[in-house]
Amino acid sequence: KQEVTQIPAALSVPEGENLVLNCSFTDSAIYNLQWFRQDPGKGLTSLLLIQSSQREQTSGRLNASLDKSSGRSTLYIAASQPGDSATYLCAVDRGSTLGRLYFGRGTQLTVWP
Amino acid sequence: NAGVTQTPKFQVLKTGQSMTLQCAQDMNHEYMSWYRQDPGMGLRLIHYSVGAGITDQGEVPNGYNVSRSTTEDFPLRLLSAAPSQTSVYFCASSYSAGVAFFGQGTRLTVV
Repeated sequence: KQEVTQIPAALSVPEGENLVLNCSFTDSAIYNLQWFRQDPGKGLTSLLLIQSSQREQTSGRLNASLDKSSGRSTLYIAASQPGDSATYLCAVDRGSTLGRLYFGRGTQLTVWP
Repeated sequence: NAGVTQTPKFQVLKTGQSMTLQCAQDMNHEYMSWYRQDPGMGLRLIHYSVGAGITDQGEVPNGYNVSRSTTEDFPLRLLSAAPSQTSVYFCASSYSAGVAFFGQGTRLTVV
């Protein structure tokens, strides 16, 4: 069974810091990995999707890397802002059962001014 | 473009009652799925579908039923509500294993 772990569970930082959120998964036979953002009381919004053949994806201040062989992904947030405060979740899609996402429990990020 | 629409947003049920959570998407996505989100547990897959007429169970299917008669709709039925089904329910859709789009969620309380 695929297990997804996210570290840290919570993070509180001052504005302007560069951040690294970690995600690890137990089964390296994945099809892709997605990072999501969830605001309180809202649904999930996909931030970045990395195919298993890719090493990284970038969108604005966000950069996600994938090391499939070691079962790890990191989400790098540059120059953090209070508007980045949210819960960040990673999810993997296994190749054997496409469309089924296995989620970590998330990192709750607070960026204070 | 509405994306993924879930109704209702909030619901309170009594133990033993049944109800249907609605999910509709207007992106012609093949894949649709239902998750529940509980504090400290993350999101867990209930049921999913890879196309009209095709459904399969996820991690926590007991007490729930689904059908997929059209590409657009994927309703989730609670057969006999129990307090353990108190949760936030999310519907998602995607093209194959592409970017997943989520609805805003249904917050269900069973008393």
